[in-house]
Amino acid sequence: QQPVQSPQAVILREGEDAVINCSSSKALYSVHWYRQKHGEAPIFLMILLKGGEQKGHDKISASFNEKKQQSSLYLTASQLSYSGTYFCGTGETSGSRLTFGEGTQLTVNP
Amino acid sequence: EAQVTQNPRYLITVTGKKLTVTCSQNMNHEYMSWYRQDPGLGLRQIYYSMNVEVTDKGDVPEGYKVSRKEKRNFPLILESPSPNQTSLYFCASSLTGSHEQYFGPGTRLTVT
Repeated sequence: QQPVQSPQAVILREGEDAVINCSSSKALYSVHWYRQKHGEAPIFLMILLKGGEQKGHDKISASFNEKKQQSSLYLTASQLSYSGTYFCGTGETSGSRLTFGEGTQLTVNP
Repeated sequence: EAQVTQNPRYLITVTGKKLTVTCSQNMNHEYMSWYRQDPGLGLRQIYYSMNVEVTDKGDVPEGYKVSRKEKRNFPLILESPSPNQTSLYFCASSLTGSHEQYFGPGTRLTVT
């Protein structure tokens, strides 16, 4: 079953912050985050594993609440290059297949 | 260079004409997967493979076939394509299902 992402779309001005949420109805082992530019392949951002630490690099970080089966992606001080569609992918067990959400379209304007 | 390649990148075909989209990876990954992407529906998994000779259905397998005879290759076969299979297709590979997935460049298929 697909995880549910919210919001579906968000528009920001450069320098503003955004949060994208990913929620599953099933217990999760892993949550992946990817970004896709229009017409290109999705690019990996980070993985969060059950029992693991909050991840982050540069101004993009994520958290994973195992009990609530939810993950959030935090984008701070957004840049124009952050524009794109963000997907979360969830895995129920170690090594199991990944199921992606419908995506969140993020637009950063000057 | 570590990569996933797909061929062809673009294909226009007619209903019922069998076609194969090839996917190859050079990273010795065990896990490979096919997705289709349609507007507003995200990435939906068609089939996946945990290792050679091991394949399983994803969320939307109807009308597709796959095989995994070698670790590096994972072709997607449409035996009798129909217009509702018009879509953007991505192949991906990773060490296991819990590791970072590397996506191919995509194949845009149009079935008329």
